[in-house]
Amino acid sequence: ELKVEQNPLFLSMQEGKNYTIYCNYSTTSDRLYWYRQDPGKSLESLFVLLSNGAVKQEGRLMASLDTKARLSTLHITAAVHDLSATYFCAAGAGSYQLTFGKGTKLSVIP
Amino acid sequence: DTAVSQTPKYLVTQMGNDKSIKCEQNLGHDTMYWYKQDSKKFLKIMFSYNNKELIINETVPNRFSPKSPDKAHLNLHINSLELGDSAVYFCASSQEGGAQETQYFGPGTRLLVL
Repeated sequence: ELKVEQNPLFLSMQEGKNYTIYCNYSTTSDRLYWYRQDPGKSLESLFVLLSNGAVKQEGRLMASLDTKARLSTLHITAAVHDLSATYFCAAGAGSYQLTFGKGTKLSVIP
Repeated sequence: DTAVSQTPKYLVTQMGNDKSIKCEQNLGHDTMYWYKQDSKKFLKIMFSYNNKELIINETVPNRFSPKSPDKAHLNLHINSLELGDSAVYFCASSQEGGAQETQYFGPGTRLLVL
């Protein structure tokens, strides 16, 4: 059974600082997703990572995948308040099914 | 145009009642899903349908019954609602083999059972 663990689960960071969210998964997965959820809202797809060494960047967020270590990271550069949200990683094994981590609630404070 | 839509957005009901949630997607996807997000924000898949056929049926009480009348719709009927059913239910869709199979989520239905 595929299990996905994120850490930290809560992250309070100051504006302008950098930080990394980690996502470990337990068995072989052929794709890794990062989603963002604002309070009371739906999930918005941020990144899809499909191969070892994949790196994707959008604005202040950068995601990477190491399939050998079964690890994905979401790096936040020079955080701003607008990035405050809950970030989920999800790993897929085979078609149709995604297993989600518990989410990392990020608060960016002035 | 909303890609994945759900109705109702909010649902408040008494224990023991039966209720339905509807989901529609206009993305032309062939796979649809129901997820439950509990009060701790944990997301767990409940069901998955591909081309109107049930593919995934996780350990969910049989009071929950999904129905897919066509590829664009996946409804969820819940019988004999219990307090523990209170949660946010998300519908999602994806295309098998396409666009990295990204799942697109609906806005959610917030169910409160009193």
